[in-house]
Amino acid sequence: DSGVTQTPKHLITATGQRVTLRCSPRSGDLSVYWYQQSLDQGLQFLIQYYNGEERAKGNILERFSAQQFPDLHSELNLSSLELGDSALYFCASSVGGGGPHGYTFGSGTRLTVV
Amino acid sequence: GQNIDQPTEMTATEGAIVQINCTYQTSGFNGLFWYQQHAGEAPTFLSYNVLDGLEEKGRFSSFLSRSKGYSYLLLKELQMKDSASYLCAVRDRGGATNKLIFGTGTLLAVQP
Repeated sequence: DSGVTQTPKHLITATGQRVTLRCSPRSGDLSVYWYQQSLDQGLQFLIQYYNGEERAKGNILERFSAQQFPDLHSELNLSSLELGDSALYFCASSVGGGGPHGYTFGSGTRLTVV
Repeated sequence: GQNIDQPTEMTATEGAIVQINCTYQTSGFNGLFWYQQHAGEAPTFLSYNVLDGLEEKGRFSSFLSRSKGYSYLLLKELQMKDSASYLCAVRDRGGATNKLIFGTGTLLAVQP
């Protein structure tokens, strides 16, 4: 157990629907990062939050949004889902800049859009 | 722009040594990381380099040359359990972020 908790582990939903993925960072970590990993693709950075504030945006679609709450957990909302959104979504956390150990990753949410 | 290149696949024999190369071009640099990822699982941290040179940790070593935008991960005494994807990542240094930019990964198959 890495200390980063993601729920649910698996999600199957239909095109056009909306889902929410949840992430609880490791205790003491203030930064949360979301990544998308499609089949045969690398980890694509979506968005970073630090202590409730957005710090950086990557290749995140307008249909996707995220937030970090006062208790530091984060949610990634995906709407108007398309088949191409099927992927593994990882959340990672770090204390601040991550230091010499980078991030700690959660076990991911596998989203299947049918 | 930001670009990180790694070979897509490699094959090696149990007990041997394998070197996985990574070249990068990024707008900012604040360290290079190697992660291991088994299929469908979370990436796990292997090594970190921020200064030029070699870092050794057990069977794993990682090398960095910042002037050449080049790193490699060296795995010695390969075991079957080392079959996995190996991800090279650069920590961006720009503005208020410290995000990691990942390469597409190198899938290593260790054969008996």
